[in-house]
Amino acid sequence: AQKVTQAQTEISVVEKEDVTLDCVYETRDTTYYLFWYKQPPSGELVFLIRRNSFDEQNEISGRYSWNFQKSTSSFNFTITASQVVDSAVYFCALSGGATNKLIFGTGTLLAVQP
Amino acid sequence: GAGVSQSPSNKVTEKGKDVELRCDPISGHTALYWYRQSLGQGLEFLIYFQGNSAPDKSGLPSDRFSAERTGGSVSTLTIQRTQQEDSAVYLCASSLPGGNRGYTFGSGTRLTVV
Repeated sequence: AQKVTQAQTEISVVEKEDVTLDCVYETRDTTYYLFWYKQPPSGELVFLIRRNSFDEQNEISGRYSWNFQKSTSSFNFTITASQVVDSAVYFCALSGGATNKLIFGTGTLLAVQP
Repeated sequence: GAGVSQSPSNKVTEKGKDVELRCDPISGHTALYWYRQSLGQGLEFLIYFQGNSAPDKSGLPSDRFSAERTGGSVSTLTIQRTQQEDSAVYLCASSLPGGNRGYTFGSGTRLTVV
């Protein structure tokens, strides 16, 4: 069965701090995809990144970076120099196998204080 | 269209009534998904359509829930005899075949059953 665990329910940081959001996944598929989505207070889900299981290269996009480690089944997300606009719920998700349906974690609420 | 469009954006209904929620996917996206997000919760998969294949209905919570997709485009999610526990935001997403290239979500329909 597929499962995504985001153990951090809520994180509060002060602006300019770095913060890492953890994501651990379970799957029996050899080919799978991992995603991060941002859900700001407006409610819309914003796609951030997709990684496939064969590409363990870490990725950096501006202040965002992702660390994918198959050995620990983790796909962690780091925001450097956080800003108030980063305040949102962040979801990690997994898809793979025949159905391609996205399985979401329960989300991490990030609050960045000014 | 440019994005996934859902209507209505808000729906208040009385317990026991039927409701229909509509989703217009991105043109050319053959895969369509419905998810439910209850207050403060993660996203729960409901149903997945891919082209002309039989839909994956494994996430529908009861036989009061059904969905159809006409002409491979617009989808309607129907909830019969609504209950208070059906109150949630219903999100639709679409993607290119396979889904793993990224899912685009609509803004959702907030359903309140009173």
